[in-house]
Amino acid sequence: DTGVSQDPRHKITKRGQNVTFRCDPISEHNRLYWYRQTLGQGPEFLTYFQNEAQLEKSRLLSDRFSAERPKGSFSTLEIQRTEQGDSAMYLCASSLGVTSGRLQETQYFGPGTRLLVL
Amino acid sequence: KQEVTQIPAALSVPEGENLVLNCSFTDSAIYNLQWFRQDPGKGLTSLLLIQSSQREQTSGRLNASLDKSSGRSTLYIAASQPGDSATYLCAVSEDITQGGSEKLVFGKGTKLTVNP
Repeated sequence: DTGVSQDPRHKITKRGQNVTFRCDPISEHNRLYWYRQTLGQGPEFLTYFQNEAQLEKSRLLSDRFSAERPKGSFSTLEIQRTEQGDSAMYLCASSLGVTSGRLQETQYFGPGTRLLVL
Repeated sequence: KQEVTQIPAALSVPEGENLVLNCSFTDSAIYNLQWFRQDPGKGLTSLLLIQSSQREQTSGRLNASLDKSSGRSTLYIAASQPGDSATYLCAVSEDITQGGSEKLVFGKGTKLTVNP
């Protein structure tokens, strides 16, 4: 088990371009989360999946953002028509999500994808 | 809406000093509270998780306490070392049985510098 991985680690793009990030959670973790962190701030929640179902989306997730987790394993986050305000670190986290009387578990974070929009 | 505040925003101490980082949250209906460490340009490393029914958790030189009713948590670091230099983030997970969400709500962090 190598932990949560994210690809790419860094992305520089021009305003108006589309970008896609990938997250591979810890194996057997059925919950996957995306957060965004700007400089000097704590991470802010974007969206969350239970297996392949997207259960919650933040108001921060405008219609230019779309996230998928088609087979309940890896996830992708796509940003269309990027804007300079999208420049941030995009963090992915996963948790076991096994109920057994426990509804919520520790979230383990990946190294993040740093996006710079010029 | 849950809000998490961390004080101080930055802290600089000499090596060997014991120190306390503070975290407060506005809604006491939490499920758990986590302390994370973040090195510059890196992801988050979970340090300690305290369930809402617990009062404290310890790991090595770290001790985290939770007073849910007053909406406060502290992270105590004993005998600080230069390698402890990082940003420390506090996050709460809301209790979904009381209408909360699965998401973590973070503070802005405390940037700690331990000087040799």
